[in-house]
Amino acid sequence: DTEVTQTPKHLVMGMTNKKSLKCEQHMGHRAMYWYKQKAKKPPELMFVYSYEKLSINESVPSRFSPECPNSSLLNLHLHALQPEDSALYLCASSQEGQGGLGQETQYFGPGTRLLVL
Amino acid sequence: AQKITQTQPGMFVQEKEAVTLDCTYDTSDPSYGLFWYKQPSSGEMIFLIYQGSYDQQNATEGRYSLNFQKARKSANLVISASQLGDSAMYFCAMREDNTNAGKSTFGDGTTLTVKP
Repeated sequence: DTEVTQTPKHLVMGMTNKKSLKCEQHMGHRAMYWYKQKAKKPPELMFVYSYEKLSINESVPSRFSPECPNSSLLNLHLHALQPEDSALYLCASSQEGQGGLGQETQYFGPGTRLLVL
Repeated sequence: AQKITQTQPGMFVQEKEAVTLDCTYDTSDPSYGLFWYKQPSSGEMIFLIYQGSYDQQNATEGRYSLNFQKARKSANLVISASQLGDSAMYFCAMREDNTNAGKSTFGDGTTLTVKP
């Protein structure tokens, strides 16, 4: 089973709203990722969690706040977003500790399409 | 310098024919992995195939094969017997063991359209 689930599938929010994106995997993976993807562009890495600790933050604005409550769950809390934050948000996971990082496949969820009005 | 280059923004192929999607990469890390993903209009990034830098043989997964030419630093995806459902955007990606903190680097993608 290589399934990563994400909820909600679609989200519309105003600039003053607070919302959260959720991601879940049950593959025993110990690394989880958030990506942002604009239309017709490659995904851009936002955050990486390794063994439930934040290991990479790609200088993402503080209006995006990640959280990893346990090894299976990853949240992205959104507050005071801007219209330019409208995008597809993808979660991914990969195994860790089984050889080099170059051997680890990232498995992606279906994404959340976010529209900020 | 761009680490992953996909030179074909768009490709067309007739149903049931084979198609090759190009990918070249740049790294000085001796240990790395190359990945291809398919992204239909629904948005999900679907993992297709993986090639490790030390793998002697080209990877194959069903109708997908990876033409790995290490000296040329190319990792082209070959899709045989194209189907209408293969119409999607395809991304080539690389992860390096020792460089770039293991982050995945993606190419700009190729949009494949399969014609009936």
